[in-house]
Amino acid sequence: DIQVTQSPSSVSASVGDRVSITCRASQGIYNWLAWYQQKPGEAPKLLIYAASSLQRGVPSRFSGSGSGTDFSLTINSLQPEDFATYYCQQANSFPAVTFGGGTKVEIK
Amino acid sequence: EVQLVESGGGVVQPGGSLRLSCGASGFTFDDYAMHWVRQVPGRSLEWVSFIGGDGTETSYGDSVKGRFTITRDNRKSSLFLQMNSLRPEDSALYYCAKACGHDCKPTPSPWYFNLWGRGTLVTVSS
Repeated sequence: DIQVTQSPSSVSASVGDRVSITCRASQGIYNWLAWYQQKPGEAPKLLIYAASSLQRGVPSRFSGSGSGTDFSLTINSLQPEDFATYYCQQANSFPAVTFGGGTKVEIK
Repeated sequence: EVQLVESGGGVVQPGGSLRLSCGASGFTFDDYAMHWVRQVPGRSLEWVSFIGGDGTETSYGDSVKGRFTITRDNRKSSLFLQMNSLRPEDSALYYCAKACGHDCKPTPSPWYFNLWGRGTLVTVSS
């Protein structure tokens, strides 16, 4: 199976900050990568698919980039509602799709 | 309203069985593949199973292969997961998830999940 490793596992930031999270795949996955946001007690929500395509309804302060093995999610001007845990997911080696370990974005 | 609602979770002894259900509304159910994804509280997500829109194609994660069976009833917009020979490590919150499919333009894929239910909790314990 293709493993995906996220870093950092947690980050402390303030409202208005720019935050970047990285995801590294154990082998090349082209652009078959998604990002999800999960708030406590809620289901995950799709933010980005195909590495950089913004899901309908997601604010434009979220952006994704990368291809091959290295990817990133950037949140520009962090808002109070953005404090959550973020997961990457590789969709290249279906059906064995896998998720990263998560990055918790906390209030500084 | 576009939503997925899971049910059927509970406490079961090791070796036992459970059948999870997921009711869908607000979209054309048989246009989309569906999945089950699970999450141990406080941990990451694990994909469990996939079923194509017409129900003929299925796949399973290695950890559940041979024990779990995914089915769907398109007339009732419902998804199911029959779980047999349950183990303590199957304990988790089980989510029903809709495949993005052609909603994910310009790169449609059944392997992105753009609608999730709130989950149903399965606990396997003696």
